[in-house]
Amino acid sequence: NAGVMQNPRHLVRRRGQEARLRCSPMKGHSHVYWYRQLPEEGLKFMVYLQKENIIDESGMPKERFSAEFPKEGPSILRIQQVVRGDSAAYFCASYTGGAGNYNEQFFGPGTRLTVL
Amino acid sequence: GNSVTQMEGPVTLSEEAFLTINCTYTATGYPSLFWYVQYPGEGLQLLLKATKADDKGSNKGFEATYRKETTSFHLEKGSVQVSDSAVYFCALKLGAGSYQLTFGKGTKLSVIP
Repeated sequence: NAGVMQNPRHLVRRRGQEARLRCSPMKGHSHVYWYRQLPEEGLKFMVYLQKENIIDESGMPKERFSAEFPKEGPSILRIQQVVRGDSAAYFCASYTGGAGNYNEQFFGPGTRLTVL
Repeated sequence: GNSVTQMEGPVTLSEEAFLTINCTYTATGYPSLFWYVQYPGEGLQLLLKATKADDKGSNKGFEATYRKETTSFHLEKGSVQVSDSAVYFCALKLGAGSYQLTFGKGTKLSVIP
């Protein structure tokens, strides 16, 4: 069973360009989270999605950032008109969506975005 | 709000030394607590967890005990190896109905032969 896949692993963009980050969850997982890790910082929650629904986007900047998780295909985190402050590692995590007090999130290897 | 505070790094130890990485938390409810490990160039992997007070999580020689009275979840290992070199993150998640993980800033551990 393949783990969480993210691509690209490294992405370089110039200021003003668009960045698209992809995440394929583990097989059978219908819930996806995106986290951002700034240098020397822990991960910060950005958005939580189920298939075709955004459940919680309270951690995502109001402008330039958007996320989707379509019925078919990977989840996409999109950053428009990137700025240098967007340079970070972006991690995706997935889980099954089952009930219970604890639901393990499985993390992908991350996409390291560098804005020149 | 909810927060996690970890000891500042980096931590450098000799092989077979004893490891402690301190972690304390602030939470509005009764959280589950986690330690994640991030090896260079990789994503986070769950190392161990504890879901209620006095629980002890353990894995690969690492241990941490959920101490409600001190709101702590310190990570320990009796004898570290070079392969344990990584960044360690303490995290919490509130109870049923919650899904967001709140992470500490991470502690980088380097183990030298």
